[in-house]
Formats: sequence, C-alpha cells, structure tokens
Amino acid sequence: GAGVSQSPSNKVTEKGKDVELRCDPISGHTALYWYRQSLGQGLEFLIYFQGNSAPDKSGLPSDRFSAERTGGSVSTLTIQRTQQEDSAVYLCASSLARNSYNEQFFGPGTRLTVL
Amino acid sequence: GQSLEQPSEVTAVEGAIVQINCTYQTSGFYGLSWYQQHDGGAPTFLSYNALDGLEETGRFSSFLSRSDSYGYLLLQELQMKDSASYFCAVSGNTPLVFGKGTRLSVIA
Repeated sequence: GAGVSQSPSNKVTEKGKDVELRCDPISGHTALYWYRQSLGQGLEFLIYFQGNSAPDKSGLPSDRFSAERTGGSVSTLTIQRTQQEDSAVYLCASSLARNSYNEQFFGPGTRLTVL
Repeated sequence: GQSLEQPSEVTAVEGAIVQINCTYQTSGFYGLSWYQQHDGGAPTFLSYNALDGLEETGRFSSFLSRSDSYGYLLLQELQMKDSASYFCAVSGNTPLVFGKGTRLSVIA
C-alpha cells in the first residue's frame, strides 16, 4: 500500500512568513509524529499524536510552532513568523500504535529553507 | 530526561564487519531501536530490542544490555550500499528519542 506522504517536498520562504507542511500517514496508523532534522544532525522530536488523545507537544521549540491532526488522519505542521534557524528537513512518521515495538514509517520529508 | 551517545563516524572495508555502539540514559526504558538513513532519504527501521541479547536479521544484528544501558548494531559482510547514517533510538516515558547518528562509510 501507499506509504507516508508529505507535501510540499521543498519550500522556500522569506523570514517572517508563515508556512504549512502536510503529512498523510499510512491508512490505519493511529500514531503520528513530527521530527526536525538539521543538516548532518539527528532527528529532533517535535510533536506526537495518538488517536483521539491530546497531543504530546513537549518537543515544539517555540510557540511559533503548532500542529493539528484532523479526523485522526492528515496532519499539518504550521510555523508562524519563520526564522532562518527554522531551516531544516521536517519529517513525519506514523506507526500502528504508540507501543515502542511498532516501527515508525517515515515520509520523504519537507525541506524548508528560510531566506 | 533521555540522552544517547553513539560515534559520529565509522569507516570500514567492504566485506568486513562493523559494530556501532550506543549508550543511553533514559527514564522508563521500553526498548532500543535502530534506523538507517541514506543521504537525502528517509529513515527506515532496522531492528528493535526490548530484552537483553542478540537479535539477528540477515546481515544485521542488534544487541541490548539493559543493565549496562548499552546496545550495538552489528553489520556483517559490508557492502557499498550500507554506506549511510545509523541512528539508535530509545523509547521510554516519552516518544522515541533518537541519537545524533553514526555515519558509516564503506570503502573498497
């Protein structure tokens, strides 16, 4: 079946603008995660959704970052008033459930460049 | 909190064996995972260990010692296509936390 998809694949924006990044998880996966990866770095956890539970927002770096997941499926990560340090690849992943043994399936990512 | 340590770079010869170590500190440990990421690609799952011991999957094996908060990924019969970054990740009381990754270069 289809994997995790993300759009856009690349986004170039000017400092101060808002951006929206979209993630379509694998159908039936109840857990959805957003990560940020800077060049040559590891994956930085941002936010996690599990079913209808309140999301875990503990990784969001500032109040400029927010995310929502509508209908338990598609998720949108919004960055307001973008800054140059927001430039990174934003990865979305989904898994069957929160259980740790469930592997996470990653999307191809959105490369964000803030000029 | 949670933290992981793994070497930043490893170089090995094609056909050889390489071991990538990972030590971790975490509150509420469930298991240790390994992911592979090729340049420009998305991370892909390799293995998961919840119990002590060695798990083997083809050329790749993963080991865990819960008492030592330590694990490793073992890659045998290295191939050029194994050149990639390898991340260990721990799951505990918070969602998966990834290490900074080990960049493996396989040379002829």
